[in-house]
Amino acid sequence: DTGVSQDPRHKITKRGQNVTFRCDPISEHNRLYWYRQTLGQGPEFLTYFQNEAQLEKSRLLSDRFSAERPKGSFSTLEIQRTEQGDSAMYLCASSDRGYYNEQFFGPGTRLTVL
Amino acid sequence: AQSVTQLDSQVPVFEEAPVELRCNYSSSVSVYLFWYVQYPNQGLQLLLKYLSGSTLVKGINGFEAEFNKSQTSFHLRKPSVHISDTAEYFCAVSVKTSGSRLTFGEGTQLTVNP
Repeated sequence: DTGVSQDPRHKITKRGQNVTFRCDPISEHNRLYWYRQTLGQGPEFLTYFQNEAQLEKSRLLSDRFSAERPKGSFSTLEIQRTEQGDSAMYLCASSDRGYYNEQFFGPGTRLTVL
Repeated sequence: AQSVTQLDSQVPVFEEAPVELRCNYSSSVSVYLFWYVQYPNQGLQLLLKYLSGSTLVKGINGFEAEFNKSQTSFHLRKPSVHISDTAEYFCAVSVKTSGSRLTFGEGTQLTVNP
């Protein structure tokens, strides 16, 4: 596997339900990012991990959102009590240690909240 | 904080015509600059990046971009487009700090017509 993978690719849920997404970064990449992209907009940063440590969180990441990267490899993003406004594409990216920040993106998980 | 403005939300062109997609940024510190392309239902793919040095950078698929520090611009160009270039294009910046987030513009939809 040479790319970032995300699962599931699509998720339809009812308002109020909890959902969890998974991201598997490129092997050996120690940095992992989550972004959210709504229709017609560019991706917006949510949070960032270096190894297992969550180093930065956006104000977009309300208390209903939680992200983990327990062993410094894959990461999960959980949304509790989903709202219709959570409908978006959730993108994961990873990058290697280096002096610039080229990030490699996965295909995304499209969430639809009914 | 950084911000990115993509001046055109939609750019229609005919096949084999030249194209320019415009990007301006704002930042109080030095930044890295990127252009990403997103095909329908796919993640983002890096087209090119400016880190330092020559202000004209060449990327994949025949694209190039020029960094203009005085005008804080990073416009993307291609001398002759193909139908397959139809996609959404995003300009992004990150500060020159290890692990920094990307800040994206709102995107430009390039549509190449036969």
